[in-house]
Amino acid sequence: QQQVKQSPQSLIVQKGGISIINCAYENTAFDYFPWYQQFPGKGPALLIAIRPDVSEKKEGRFTISFNKSAKQFSLHIMDSQPGDSATYFCAASIGAGGTSYGKLTFGQGTILTVHP
Amino acid sequence: GAVVSQHPSWVICKSGTSVKIECRSLDFQATTMFWYRQFPKQSLMLMATSNEGSKATYEQGVEKDKFLINHASLTLSTLTVTSAHPEDSSFYICSARTSINYGYTFGSGTRLTVV
Repeated sequence: QQQVKQSPQSLIVQKGGISIINCAYENTAFDYFPWYQQFPGKGPALLIAIRPDVSEKKEGRFTISFNKSAKQFSLHIMDSQPGDSATYFCAASIGAGGTSYGKLTFGQGTILTVHP
Repeated sequence: GAVVSQHPSWVICKSGTSVKIECRSLDFQATTMFWYRQFPKQSLMLMATSNEGSKATYEQGVEKDKFLINHASLTLSTLTVTSAHPEDSSFYICSARTSINYGYTFGSGTRLTVV
């Protein structure tokens, strides 16, 4: 019930295209859903995050769509660029935003390759 | 923004020796630090959670006597891999919980190679 399932495992997109990565969760207690970008040999960096009280959040070329009833959320990267080539992880946690919040549960990761 | 400095970025050690990895929160107080392990092309696996001034909580299957975690101050947490063996070779990453944006800030990771 703590799992977060991410797909696809890998994704190849042409420059200028839209990259879409999906995640699904079981635990309805999750209330914080971040996406991280990781380059080889580096730690993850926060891209964008959403809480379940909104269905969509956009920051620049990155958009999270959240479907609470389906227990799914996705990352959309518009106008994908070769510099976006990295591994992307979705995650979820319980209780973030308050005085007590817990561990992040990560998805399996998606290797994104954007061809020029 | 919140920055976590992790050192060393890479280390090679001989089998049987111990290695210490440090994570410092540079501009905020990290009341909680998380330590992860990541194998090539895999996701991050949480090893333990440490709160300042108290004992770390280890995830199931993680040997607490092998992976010693110390979180003695609000700005420093350390992970010591004791009696390292080649199977301990991995990428270790720390993450600090912040009160600034209620998010998690990650260190840059440490590549440990045990020969």
